[in-house]
Amino acid sequence: NAGVTQTPKFQVLKTGQSMTLQCAQDMNHNSMYWYRQDPGMGLRLIYYSASEGTTDKGEVPNGYNVSRLNKREFSLRLESAAPSQTSVYFCATFQTGTSYEQYFGPGTRLTVT
Amino acid sequence: LAKTTQPISMDSYEGQEVNITCSHNNIATNDYITWYQQFPSQGPRFIIQGYKTKVTNEVASLFIPADRKSSTLSLPRVSLSDTAVYYCLVGDLRGKSTFGDGTTLTVKP
Repeated sequence: NAGVTQTPKFQVLKTGQSMTLQCAQDMNHNSMYWYRQDPGMGLRLIYYSASEGTTDKGEVPNGYNVSRLNKREFSLRLESAAPSQTSVYFCATFQTGTSYEQYFGPGTRLTVT
Repeated sequence: LAKTTQPISMDSYEGQEVNITCSHNNIATNDYITWYQQFPSQGPRFIIQGYKTKVTNEVASLFIPADRKSSTLSLPRVSLSDTAVYYCLVGDLRGKSTFGDGTTLTVKP
């Protein structure tokens, strides 16, 4: 089992470019999340999806869009990247009704110049 | 969701017990508490969870008083490899949770 996978691992964008970060899980969990972590800071929730077909805003949704394509996949899109979006992006999964543990992917390190 | 407050940093020595306290004054009735550990360039890793009283697993203990406005993570006999950032989270039953800024624990030889 791969757990939670994220692609790409690293990405450099120029201001104004767009890109999609991909997240996939093989744990059959209902909930999936996107966080960002700036240097020296904690993680901040961007968007989350409690189930396939539903998405909700977190603390810092501006500048991002998400898509819960199916139960396995949850993508994060930056339509027009800005230097303020330079960060490490983590995807996580959670299964309601069992342990309250979130399972994290390895992260995508994004730099916007 | 309840905001969490933790000390920014703590120092300890190998073999000592470390207690990290988190304040979450606005915790709701159905919210739960979890703690995570994060090493540089890695995603957070789950340590322990609890709702009230005391929980113990193979790596840590979690103490939660009756009013649930705080929680304390206890790491027994820390080693150099326990140097990391520790996060306290308060989450609801949907799994939506808020990370604070974490506590950087430095274990010295």
